[in-house]
Amino acid sequence: KQEVTQIPAALSVPEGENLVLNCSFTDSAIYNLQWFRQDPGKGLTSLLLIQSSQREQTSGRLNASLDKSSGRSTLYIAASQPGDSATYLCAVNGGGNKLVFGAGTILRVKS
Amino acid sequence: DAGITQSPRHKVTETGTPVTLRCHQTENHRYMYWYRQDPGHGLRLIHYSYGVKDTDKGEVSDGYSVSRSKTEDFLLTLESATSSQTSVYFCAIRTDSNTGELFFGEGSRLTVL
Repeated sequence: KQEVTQIPAALSVPEGENLVLNCSFTDSAIYNLQWFRQDPGKGLTSLLLIQSSQREQTSGRLNASLDKSSGRSTLYIAASQPGDSATYLCAVNGGGNKLVFGAGTILRVKS
Repeated sequence: DAGITQSPRHKVTETGTPVTLRCHQTENHRYMYWYRQDPGHGLRLIHYSYGVKDTDKGEVSDGYSVSRSKTEDFLLTLESATSSQTSVYFCAIRTDSNTGELFFGEGSRLTVL
């Protein structure tokens, strides 16, 4: 059974800092991996999706990497801003409808 | 914006009453999902649909039923609501492209007293 772990559970950084969020998974037979952000009381917003054949994806200040062999993905946020404060979740798709979510990392960027 | 609308957004009901949540999409995607999100449990799949009248169970389907009579609408029904079904319910769609990207609605907060 796929298990997805996100570390740290919470992170507080000063504005402008570069940071890395981690997502690890136990079964490397994945179809893709997707990163989301969730603001309080809101739905999940898709940030980046990495296919199993890809190593990384970039969107603006965000860069997500995937290393299937080690069961890890990272989300790198450059030059963090207070508006980046949210909960970040990763979801691993094992094919079909076997999408497993991590518990999320709560990020606070202090101004 | 993936064109997903959930209704109602907030509902308070009493134990034993039936409740139906609606998810409406504007882009005719084949796959639709219902999740619930609870502190300490994260997001868990309740039911999903892969076409009109084609549905299947997720990991926490007990106490829930679904129906999809039109491509654009996916209904989640609690036949007799219980306090353990107090949660935030999210509908999601998966794009039909090769990426299979998932997009979520804004959520429906249900409180069962």
